[in-house]
Amino acid sequence: EVQLVESGGGLAQPGRSLRLSCAASGFNFDDYAMHWVRQAPGKGLEWVSTISRNGGNIGYADSVEGRFTVSRDNAKNSLYMQMNSLRPEDTAFYYCAKDLGDGDSPYDSWGQGTLVTVSS
Amino acid sequence: DTQMTQSPSSLSASVGDRVIITCRASQSIDTYVNWYQLRPGRAPKLLIYAASTLQSGVPSRFSGTGSGTDFTLTISSLQPEDFATYCCQQSYSSPPTFGQGTKVDIK
Repeated sequence: EVQLVESGGGLAQPGRSLRLSCAASGFNFDDYAMHWVRQAPGKGLEWVSTISRNGGNIGYADSVEGRFTVSRDNAKNSLYMQMNSLRPEDTAFYYCAKDLGDGDSPYDSWGQGTLVTVSS
Repeated sequence: DTQMTQSPSSLSASVGDRVIITCRASQSIDTYVNWYQLRPGRAPKLLIYAASTLQSGVPSRFSGTGSGTDFTLTISSLQPEDFATYCCQQSYSSPPTFGQGTKVDIK
């Protein structure tokens, strides 16, 4: 069974940093692209970032470009998001999601999310 | 960016009802539409991909149609576990974008 478990969320002051992790199990992690998607309170889903299966192809939403860095460690079956220069508008549930393929496919498995709150 | 506009934003229905949710893209996206179910405290769930392909394990009461700019998600007979928010996504062009969601609650 595919499992994705996010961690690392919490309360951060504006301008500070957080690092999210996503532990994957139940599938060959290095065969699939992975994504981060967020949902702010009362809002819809927003794609944040995608990383290809070997990490060679990465994309970011304009809203986080230059502040967030996605990475993966295939040996540890783990996905990460380094979030710097946090803003109040980054407050959201952050989900990691598995791609059906290598980046342009639907997201066929998701974690339950980790809440990031940016506030002074 | 391709905008995805869902309607309605919410609806009330009873168990056994047929429910139809629509999603309109701001430009033609072929059949690159996926539908997800969101329930509080649970991982989002892929229901339909490529506009009409039922994801493995999803009940057959869920179906999807459409191409180009107009898409629908139909639940043929609403079940208690289907009260949730439904969201479309386009994967035709980058960035992938989602509709704002349709909340289905109990009448």
